[in-house]
Amino acid sequence: GAVVSQHPSWVICKSGTSVKIECRSLDFQATTMFWYRQFPKQSLMLMATSNEGSKATYEQGVEKDKFLINHASLTLSTLTVTSAHPEDSSFYICSADPEGGWSYNEQFFGPGTRLTVL
Amino acid sequence: ILNVEQSPQSLHVQEGDSTNFTCSFPSSNFYALHWYRWETAKSPEALFVMTLNGDEKKKGRISATLNTKEGYSYLYIKGSQPEDSATYLCAFHNTNAGKSTFGDGTTLTVKP
Repeated sequence: GAVVSQHPSWVICKSGTSVKIECRSLDFQATTMFWYRQFPKQSLMLMATSNEGSKATYEQGVEKDKFLINHASLTLSTLTVTSAHPEDSSFYICSADPEGGWSYNEQFFGPGTRLTVL
Repeated sequence: ILNVEQSPQSLHVQEGDSTNFTCSFPSSNFYALHWYRWETAKSPEALFVMTLNGDEKKKGRISATLNTKEGYSYLYIKGSQPEDSATYLCAFHNTNAGKSTFGDGTTLTVKP
């Protein structure tokens, strides 16, 4: 089956620093990748849709200057949390859709990244 | 904002029990509904994609039904096993956007 990797799996950083999270599709090309955030005991909240070669589409309420997304190739999307603060501490998870979001196919998820900002 | 609700939030059953839980979603502009299983420390993995009203899908002891007119889907597990312990997520996909809205999930714990 399709595999999506995510790196790092966990990260602890100081307030004010930036953190980059990578999402890679290992055995397929993904024109579209999605970035989610999960708060404790809550659902996966879509942050943005990342399209290869174009700007990401951010959901309402998500600061695009705070959460920088780059989808430079068909197998890699990155999420950079800039000037992280404790309230950014969360679980971030990506998914990839080989069909660009408009198919009945399931999304393939990475294992997620636990970010803790001190 | 699309409202996708799952119930119950958590469920504890004994090995061998059968169980079911619900995902409710808007009944308009339906495109697809996905069920995912998310085990601790692993990636969510797809169980079923439901697209047509009245769909019934089955994979081993797990099955799912879909009612798009009233906006709900049921997931059934027959003879639960400890390895079924996981969080089960549903994701609603409407016709107006190429993205999914997830429910909060139902966390199932099966005791041996």
